[in-house]
Amino acid sequence: GAGVSQSPSNKVTEKGKDVELRCDPISGHTALYWYRQSLGQGLEFLIYFQGNSAPDKSGLPSDRFSAERTGGSVSTLTIQRTQQEDSAVYLCASSRYSDPYEQYFGPGTRLTVT
Amino acid sequence: AQSVTQLGSHVSVSEGALVLLRCNYSSSVPPYLFWYVQYPNQGLQLLLKYTSAATLVKGINGFEAEFKKSETSFHLTKPSAHMSDAAEYFCAVSSNRDDKIIFGKGTRLHILP
Repeated sequence: GAGVSQSPSNKVTEKGKDVELRCDPISGHTALYWYRQSLGQGLEFLIYFQGNSAPDKSGLPSDRFSAERTGGSVSTLTIQRTQQEDSAVYLCASSRYSDPYEQYFGPGTRLTVT
Repeated sequence: AQSVTQLGSHVSVSEGALVLLRCNYSSSVPPYLFWYVQYPNQGLQLLLKYTSAATLVKGINGFEAEFKKSETSFHLTKPSAHMSDAAEYFCAVSSNRDDKIIFGKGTRLHILP
């Protein structure tokens, strides 16, 4: 079946502009994660959705970052007033409720802020 | 709060030699521990997981890891390295099935011919 998909694959934006990154998880997966991967920083947790529970937003680095998940499926990560330090690869992952530890990762969106 | 520390951002081993990638965790509750691998130009995939059953966990491609509570460690090993093992390896921790998973900074494994 189809894996986790993310769009766009690459995004170049000017400092100060808003960007939206999209994630389509695997159908039926109840959990959805957003991570940021920067060189030398590993995977930085951003936000976690599990079913209908309130999302865990504890990893969002500032109030410029927000995410929503509509209908328990597609998720959008929004970065407002982008800064150069936001440049990174943004990864989305999903998992089944029955096996929450096997996360299936998407290919990522490479964001470059100029 | 849970965290993991991976010792060594880069590790080089000769083909056929033992692979040892170190991971130490910090957790206030019994942890769940994982190793993920990211091959060049590919997405991350689960290598193995410890969820409070056997302390020695076997994963894909001949890798295994041992949970040692006394040392707060979960080191990844493979007896004989292969060129195809060159990748970035991430150790991760969680407190329970409903909590988020926290990843380490990663260790890039280089295999020398």
